[in-house]
Amino acid sequence: EPEVTQTPSHQVTQMGQEVILRCVPISNHLYFYWYRQILGQKVEFLVSFYNNEISEKSEIFDDQFSVERPDGSNFTLKIRSTKLEDSAMYFCASSRDYDNEQFFGPGTRLTVL
Amino acid sequence: GIQVEQSPPDLILQEGANSTLRCNFSDSVNNLQWFHQNPWGQLINLFYIPSGTKQNGRLSATTVATERYSLLYISSSQTTDSGVYFCAVERWAGGSYIPTFGRGTSLIVHP
Repeated sequence: EPEVTQTPSHQVTQMGQEVILRCVPISNHLYFYWYRQILGQKVEFLVSFYNNEISEKSEIFDDQFSVERPDGSNFTLKIRSTKLEDSAMYFCASSRDYDNEQFFGPGTRLTVL
Repeated sequence: GIQVEQSPPDLILQEGANSTLRCNFSDSVNNLQWFHQNPWGQLINLFYIPSGTKQNGRLSATTVATERYSLLYISSSQTTDSGVYFCAVERWAGGSYIPTFGRGTSLIVHP
């Protein structure tokens, strides 16, 4: 069964460094998403992406964040200058269409020291 | 934005017991999903259920969209059911869907 994959599973970085989190969505899906979950809290929507454009973003998704689909398979989230409060689990998800079920990857745990 | 309230926040069961988890939402929604977050942090799809009733083994779900709630039923619970159960809704907002998660129900099933 096709699944969303994410790399790395765990990333440790120093405050102020740039990180890139990678995702490979399910191959025939057209809509891609990033979420984050701070430890012990709920899952929060960051951004949705379709047709090489951001279709929606939350207040959390400020100028330090960017997303890209650099090729036909990868979908990346870049955090330009990490802060301590960026420490969280980051989930990628994809769906076939805008009103379809979303499938989540296993997550990348980001730790900012 | 839309508010999603899940209850109860915490639930402790003995193996074999049944339970009902509730998700209330403050506005009309277009989509609703239930997820199980296992102890390793993975989000497992349980149901995509914007309306109606679905069943999958010991789990079933019902969404009454007109009354703005959804229920997740777990029957004959097992220790592997432990984890956090999230409800997530989406509503159409000016050209895009905005997903919102509830805070979850933390379930512990004791042997």
